[in-house]
Amino acid sequence: RKEVEQDPGPFNVPEGATVAFNCTYSNSASQSFFWYRQDCRKEPKLLMSVYSSGNEDGRFTAQLNRASQYISLLIRDSKLSDSATYLCVQRAGNKLTFGGGTRVLVKP
Amino acid sequence: DVKVTQSSRYLVKRTGEKVFLECVQDMDHENMFWYRQDPGLGLRLIYFSYDVKMKEKGDIPEGYSVSREKKERFSLILESASTNQTSMYLCASSNPGDTQYFGPGTRLTVL
Repeated sequence: RKEVEQDPGPFNVPEGATVAFNCTYSNSASQSFFWYRQDCRKEPKLLMSVYSSGNEDGRFTAQLNRASQYISLLIRDSKLSDSATYLCVQRAGNKLTFGGGTRVLVKP
Repeated sequence: DVKVTQSSRYLVKRTGEKVFLECVQDMDHENMFWYRQDPGLGLRLIYFSYDVKMKEKGDIPEGYSVSREKKERFSLILESASTNQTSMYLCASSNPGDTQYFGPGTRLTVL
């Protein structure tokens, strides 16, 4: 079983709609979590950190559920520019472990 | 502004060749990392370094070595390239406990 698992998608989302997807992790010692965004043929870039209390950054909301060992990302009012692959990342010490990514396609 | 650079965006080599991939960061970060990314497998850690001349094996170190002679530079070496090392190689850097910043990647093809 992979340490960090994601639904690969793609999630086809009408422009303006809301989309949400989860990521499960198996290492209960994970210290912190992040969502990275990766555009086609580009490097991953940090989207947001994920806090236990949940956090919001504009149209993006991230949640962490330690009891069930999953994190989630919700995108409201989707824009065409939100089309990308979203990588779930856990950190233990200095080491990051990446999920395989969830592909989101926002269509007009 | 954070900057991680990699020596080449695209590289084509032949089986058996020695390959050097260079990564430089200008943020005075202590930690540096080399990953490869393959479809369906995601990013996998090859090696990392948390100090000059220090290195640690990641999840898939076989067939690779690394060198960190200066804080800002971390090199990945393929001693004898093989076709199964065709991949996208990504370098990253960070300070301890902080998020990682990635370079633009090197797409290596081994023929």
